[in-house]
This record gives sequence, C-alpha cells and structure tokens, in this order.
Amino acid sequence: AQSVTQLGSHVSVSEGALVLLRCNYSSSVPPYLFWYVQYPNQGLQLLLKYTSAATLVKGINGFEAEFKKSETSFHLTKPSAHMSDAAEYFCAVSRSGGYNKLIFGAGTRLAVHP
Amino acid sequence: DAGVIQSPRHEVTEMGQEVTLRCKPISGHNSLFWYRQTMMRGLELLIYFNNNVPIDDSGMPEDRFSAKMPNASFSTLKIQPSEPRDSAVYFCASSSDLGDRVPGANVLTFGAGSRLTVL
Repeated sequence: AQSVTQLGSHVSVSEGALVLLRCNYSSSVPPYLFWYVQYPNQGLQLLLKYTSAATLVKGINGFEAEFKKSETSFHLTKPSAHMSDAAEYFCAVSRSGGYNKLIFGAGTRLAVHP
Repeated sequence: DAGVIQSPRHEVTEMGQEVTLRCKPISGHNSLFWYRQTMMRGLELLIYFNNNVPIDDSGMPEDRFSAKMPNASFSTLKIQPSEPRDSAVYFCASSSDLGDRVPGANVLTFGAGSRLTVL
C-alpha cells in the first residue's frame, strides 16, 4: 500500500523567504512522486514529478523537489517566495511501472505575506 | 486543447434529488479519474477508467454513486438520491500512458471542478 504524509497543513512565509513544504511517502515498491498546486476555485496543476531519473527535480515557477530514498521524503522548495505562490500544495504518490492511480496527501496551504 | 471540461461548475440541489456531473477529458487521453474534495477528507479517488473500462471503483462511497464512460470523450458521475453529506467539489482528471517516455507516470490534468451543494 502507498501513502503520503504532508507535515504542516498551513505554512506562512514572508515574500522573498525560502519556501519548504514537507512530504514523506510510504511505498512497498519504487514510487513515482508528484507535487500539484491548487489555486482558489481551480483544479490541480502539476508542478513537478519524480520518475526515478534525477533525484533533484525542477518544476515550474521556480520550484524544485529532491527525492531522498533514505528519508522517504520528497520535500518541495523554492528559494524566494512570491505573493503569487499563495495556494494549496499537494504531494502525491503512485507505483512505478504499468498503470497506477495517484494517492494524494492532505495538502499544505501556503500563505505569503509582504 | 481546451483541457478537461466539467459541467456544471456549480450545482445546488435538495436532498433526494438526482445529480449528474459531466466530464469531457482531453482528446487522446486514455485514462479518466473522478475525485472528490472536502475539507474533512481531502482529495479522495472515487473511480478511474482506462480505455473506457472501470478499473477501480473501490473509492465509490456507496450504491448511490455510479459512474459511466460510454466513449473516450465523455464520462458521467451520478448520485441518486443525493444527501447533504455529498456536498463537495468533484474533480475529473485525465491522463495518457501512451507515448509517455515514462509509461504509467500518470501526469493528471484536472478540470476546474463541479461544486455540489445538497440542501
């Protein structure tokens, strides 16, 4: 079985500060990992994905995430927060290979203040 | 491409009424997913289809919920009869595992959602 735990349902940072959103996964097989972002009243959009290639994955809008197998983590970071980054962020996991469904974490709401 | 199209965007109905939510996936995508999002339970996968065939419906809450995909360009999620606890945002998403350099990577494209309120 697979699962995702996002630490912290709410994170607040100042504009220009580092953004760190935490995600830990559980999987009995090599996972695929994803980060999605949801803006108010919209669907989810893919930020980035890890599919067993490079462990450091770069996504859109300056975000990146690093896959650490030893820590079963896939934390999302951005060096400098922008007001437009305020949204809800979801980490998700699926099994590698073949056809599989995505399991989402509970989400982390990011607030960015001036 | 216009993306995944869902209708209606908002639905307010009374308990006991039938509700039908509709989804048009991205052309060429062969997998379709229905998710439900609530504050209490987050994002829950209700059902997914691959090549129009239901693969896993273990997330469907109960017999009041049913989903169909009669062809590659259309799917419905029906609730009959509806109850107040069904109030949520229902998302449809589609993906393609054909021609992806990493088959099975399941990059989902989501629709804007259908917000259902059952009074």
